[in-house]
Amino acid sequence: EAGVTQSPRYAVLQEGQAVSFWCDPISGHDTLYWYQQPRDQGPQLLVYFRDEAVIDNSQLPSDRFSAVRPKGTNSTLKIQSAKQGDTATYLCASSLGYQDTQYFGPGTRLLVL
Amino acid sequence: SQWGEENLQALSIQEGEDVTMNCSYKTYTTVVQWYRQKSGKGPAQLILIRSNEREKRSGRLRATLDTSSQSSSLSITGTLATDTAVYFCATDSSYQGGRALIFGTGTTVSVSP
Repeated sequence: EAGVTQSPRYAVLQEGQAVSFWCDPISGHDTLYWYQQPRDQGPQLLVYFRDEAVIDNSQLPSDRFSAVRPKGTNSTLKIQSAKQGDTATYLCASSLGYQDTQYFGPGTRLLVL
Repeated sequence: SQWGEENLQALSIQEGEDVTMNCSYKTYTTVVQWYRQKSGKGPAQLILIRSNEREKRSGRLRATLDTSSQSSSLSITGTLATDTAVYFCATDSSYQGGRALIFGTGTTVSVSP
């Protein structure tokens, strides 16, 4: 069974640039999560979906961050006008229904200069 | 924050030694999960313990949960160099329609051969 895949693995931007991260969850997993993990901290939830619907995006900085999952499978997280404070690893995870276990991808490491 | 300050931040041990790490949480949870994150990888679940369980074992791992003190521990016996990683405890946030995870700050374990 293929795991969660993410791309790109690394991104380096200047402040003010935009970037998109892509996630392909485990086949059949209907719940998809995006986490932000600053250096030396635990992952922090940004947004999560059940199928194509956003369940909670209250932690997403809505003025610059957006996330979609249009067909309930792959998902894209976008940062408009990145800031140095956005430097972190962005993790995607998926799960099946209400099961507790989440399966994480390898993450995208973002550096904003 | 959901998590207390008792997490030990870093441990350095020799292969073969046993190690125990602890965490405490502030609000009620039905589940505590322990995840391991190796360098450059996403977190991977090690063990899940529910509020009606006091102890759970899986191979060399042993997790405990004390709901009265709202604390949990993870022990690894006979550590290997491959156990080198950051270990996180996580509770569920009980968001409607699913369970996003709230992670602690993590304990870095370095096992020398």
